[in-house]
Amino acid sequence: QQQVKQSPQSLIVQKGGIPIINCAYENTAFDYFPWYQQFPGKGPALLIAIRPDVSEKKEGRFTISFNKSAKQFSLHIMDSQPGDSATYFCAASSRGGSEKLVFGKGTKLTVNP
Amino acid sequence: GAVVSQHPSWVICKSGTSVKIECRSLDFQATTMFWYRQFPKQSLMLMATSNEGSKATYEQGVEKDKFLINHASLTLSTLTVTSAHPEDSSFYICSARVVGGSNEQFFGPGTRLTVL
Repeated sequence: QQQVKQSPQSLIVQKGGIPIINCAYENTAFDYFPWYQQFPGKGPALLIAIRPDVSEKKEGRFTISFNKSAKQFSLHIMDSQPGDSATYFCAASSRGGSEKLVFGKGTKLTVNP
Repeated sequence: GAVVSQHPSWVICKSGTSVKIECRSLDFQATTMFWYRQFPKQSLMLMATSNEGSKATYEQGVEKDKFLINHASLTLSTLTVTSAHPEDSSFYICSARVVGGSNEQFFGPGTRLTVL
């Protein structure tokens, strides 16, 4: 019940494309859903996060869509650029769960020029 | 704002020695810091939760006597890998949560440990 399932494992798009990464969870107590971007040899950096009281959140080229009933959330990257090539992790946490983040397994995104 | 640093960024040590990794929140106070371990091409695995002034809470399967965690102040937590062995070689990452803030965690840049 603590798992967060992320797909796809890897994704290749052309510059300007819109990669979509999906995550699903089981624990209905989760109330915070962040996405992290990680470059090789670096720590994860918070991209955008959403709470279950909204269905969509947009920050720059990054959008989270959230479907509470389906227990799914996804990351969309608009007008993707080669510099967006990185590994993306979704995560979830709850205040009642010591606020520990449960991470998905990650998606390696490659944006070709 | 919300910058977390780690020191050292990389370390190479001989088998049997101990290595200390520092995690600092530079511009905010953190009641809670988390320590993760990441193997190549894998996700982050939470090792322990560190609360200022109290004992760390370790995840199942993590040896508390091998991975000593100290959270002495609201801006500093340390992870000491004792009697390191080659299988302890990994990328260690800390994160910190703002005092009185949301669930948001800010991650450090990581420390690459190689045990020869």
